[in-house]
Formats: sequence, structure tokens, C-alpha cells
Amino acid sequence: ETGVTQTPRHLVMGMTNKKSLKCEQHLGHNAMYWYKQSAKKPLELMFVYNFKEQTENNSVPSRFSPECPNSSHLFLHLHTLQPEDSALYLCASSQDSNRDYFSYEQYFGPGTRLTVT
Amino acid sequence: GENVEQHPSTLSVQEGDSAVIKCTYSDSASNYFPWYKQELGKGPQLIIDIRSNVGEKKDQRIAVTLNKTAKHFSLHITETQPEDSAVYFCAAIPASNSGGGADGLTFGKGTHLIIQP
Repeated sequence: ETGVTQTPRHLVMGMTNKKSLKCEQHLGHNAMYWYKQSAKKPLELMFVYNFKEQTENNSVPSRFSPECPNSSHLFLHLHTLQPEDSALYLCASSQDSNRDYFSYEQYFGPGTRLTVT
Repeated sequence: GENVEQHPSTLSVQEGDSAVIKCTYSDSASNYFPWYKQELGKGPQLIIDIRSNVGEKKDQRIAVTLNKTAKHFSLHITETQPEDSAVYFCAAIPASNSGGGADGLTFGKGTHLIIQP
């Protein structure tokens, strides 16, 4: 496996279900991100993890719970979702953006297409 | 916070012609501006980026220009080919007060580029 992988690629869940999205990066990066992509809207940043520590939570509802056990893996735990949460959830990774070296490039996985019924 | 505006939302050009997509940003302290290409069923792919310390960058048929004074940057694709058809996103990394570490991207709404044969 190379790059950033995400599983599952498609997920249909009811509003009372609990599910988890998984992301794995094989690039040796130490920062990981969750973004939400909805139709007709820009990609929205949800969470940022740097060296396994959450450095940003972009006002995301508590029904989305991230977990980063190590620099290569990132999870998004889902529970009690709403139909408006249906979207493409994208994971990305980057090298730590040390400002002296401008290492900002973010690489995205293929996404998980989530449908909440 | 940062706000990124992208125009046009749809752009149709004849194969072989040039395409230009424009973005403006609001945070004058933003210092990194990537462009992503997203094909159907895939995650966004980084195609070119520019830092705030340069005004132009070129990679084969793709170029990006940055005007810091006016706070706008543009993507130029020359000699367009059918495989250039996709949705293109501009983005910016806003200034952070954290003193370093990973930063999330703020995206434009995307431009659907259609290459007519």
C-alpha cells in the first residue's frame, strides 16, 4: 500500500448506529487531518492531529469523535448521526509544517462516502 | 478566519485552449497556496503549490501566479487535454498563532473544468 488509504470506501448507516472510519498513511508523515466534503460546499476542515495530539477541532459536533493512536493511523468514530452528515469524508496527511521549511503539502486519501439514513 | 473565494464554478474550454481559474483570499498573513485536482470517485490530488515568497511557479502545462498585494492567485493550464477534465480546488493556509505545527487548509468551492473535444 502506498500513499493514504481509507476504509471503508462506502458506508450506509442508520441514525442510531455506531461506526468508525479508518485512515492509514504510508508516507512517514506525522500530521493527519479529517475533512468533510459535501455537495455544493467547500471542503471543511474537521480535525487536525500533529504527533498524535489533537491541535484543532473546527467546531465539530460531538457525534464525531476522532482518535489518533499513532502517527500512521487516524480514526473517526461516528454515533447518532443525522442525515445532513451524509458526505464524503477525506483523510489527509502531511509532514509537520515546520515554518522554517514550509513543509505544508497535504496528501489526501480517496475518501469514505457516508450515507446516513 | 480565512475565506477563500474561487471563480468560475464551471469552465468549459476547447481542447488545446488555455484555462484560467482564479481565487482570492482574505487573510493577508496566509503564506501557502496549493491547487488540487479531484477526479470522480477519488480524493483531491495536489498538482501545484506556491509559497508567499514567490510570484509565479510553473510545472510543464500548469502554472500558478500569486499577487500578495491584491490577495489573489490563479491557476493556468495551457494546451488543455481531455484528461484535464476534473474539479479543481484552490486553498490557503491561514496564519496560525500556535507557533508551528500542522495547519488545516481553507478551500474554495471548486471549479468544474470541462474540456470539449
